[in-house]
Amino acid sequence: GENVEQHPSTLSVQEGDSAVIKCTYSDSASNYFPWYKQELGKGPQLIIDIRSNVGEKKDQRIAVTLNKTAKHFSLHITETQPEDSAVYFCAASIRGGGNKLTFGTGTQLKVEL
Amino acid sequence: DTGVSQNPRHKITKRGQNVTFRCDPISEHNRLYWYRQTLGQGPEFLTYFQNEAQLEKSRLLSDRFSAERPKGSFSTLEIQRTEQGDSAMYLCASSWTDRTNYGYTFGSGTRLTVV
Repeated sequence: GENVEQHPSTLSVQEGDSAVIKCTYSDSASNYFPWYKQELGKGPQLIIDIRSNVGEKKDQRIAVTLNKTAKHFSLHITETQPEDSAVYFCAASIRGGGNKLTFGTGTQLKVEL
Repeated sequence: DTGVSQNPRHKITKRGQNVTFRCDPISEHNRLYWYRQTLGQGPEFLTYFQNEAQLEKSRLLSDRFSAERPKGSFSTLEIQRTEQGDSAMYLCASSWTDRTNYGYTFGSGTRLTVV
């Protein structure tokens, strides 16, 4: 089955700096890669996603890049704000697999004032 | 629409008891998923439904676990003879999945503590 590795496990940045979180996946049949933000006591919230036919996608301060050859994808957050502090999860799903997601282990992002 | 609703939010039960959780998905969504999340880990897939049909169950889902989605609307997840290892957050998600859209909406989860 699919295996997704995520790093770093914790990340601390100063407000206004950029944050980058990286993930690798094992199954070359994976074709959908979402990123979720989870705040304490809440369920994960989809913040951005990318499909395998696209190399990069942006949404305001958030961007995701995908390298299919290397089987890795990254989340980039620019101009970080305190409200960006949360746990971020990457995930992958395999084509034809019912869109069930395999998640990484999460990155605790802390944006310091 | 208020999103995906899960009840109860918290459940404390004694080992050996049965528990049932409910999930109300976004009304127009055709797929419903159950995941389990333990502390410090990402969610793990348990099972999913397309409309009322249960299409896949994870090997993580022992015979003590059963899920239903009657009439393709709300879903229930039952755990029989609970064990301490069942303590986790149980997350429900729904989606309208077609060729162009894959995104999930998760509920806030039910936190189960088995004592």
